[in-house]
Amino acid sequence: QKEVEQDPGPLSVPEGAIVSLNCTYSNSAFQYFMWYRQYSRKGPELLMYTYSSGNKEDGRFTAQVDKSSKYISLFIRDSQPSDSATYLCAMSAKRGSTLGRLYFGRGTQLTVWP
Amino acid sequence: DTEVTQTPKHLVMGMTNKKSLKCEQHMGHRAMYWYKQKAKKPPELMFVYSYEKLSINESVPSRFSPECPNSSLLNLHLHALQPEDSALYLCASSQDLSAAGEGETQYFGPGTRLLVL
Repeated sequence: QKEVEQDPGPLSVPEGAIVSLNCTYSNSAFQYFMWYRQYSRKGPELLMYTYSSGNKEDGRFTAQVDKSSKYISLFIRDSQPSDSATYLCAMSAKRGSTLGRLYFGRGTQLTVWP
Repeated sequence: DTEVTQTPKHLVMGMTNKKSLKCEQHMGHRAMYWYKQKAKKPPELMFVYSYEKLSINESVPSRFSPECPNSSLLNLHLHALQPEDSALYLCASSQDLSAAGEGETQYFGPGTRLLVL
């Protein structure tokens, strides 16, 4: 079993839709959770960062962490064609041999059509 | 400013060539990383530098040789690569390996797209 599972999609939605992206994980030591957006042929861009459980909102984006279920989500409201990209979840434990390592999901490819 | 820059953007090299990739950040970060990313895959960690010292080498073949000349610069020297080494090479930086909170997060550069013929 991979440490981080993420449905690769592809996910295709109309403009204005609410998008839900999810990851599950198996390592209960993970405490730091990140979402990156990666446009085609570009480097990943940090979107959201959360620590431990709870919600965090930034404009149209909301990140949720449920540590009891080992489940994280990213919601995009009022999706735009410019949101079309691959979304990668990443997490870290900051402990011993895992220090400095990010554990990535496979990425979900999202297309928002006008 | 959360910018990490990488040069060149594209590189084509033969299997006998020697080339170098460069990465620079001016955020005062003390941890820097090299990743390799294949199409439709997440980034794979190659090397981590902390305070200009190599902290992690993920059993990368010796044809890849990292170098951290100072706290702002990171190089990746390439020699005798194979066609399967063709990929997007990403550099990233973070505040410090032991930083708590948002200091944990890694900021990525745009990458160098490498093609080995």
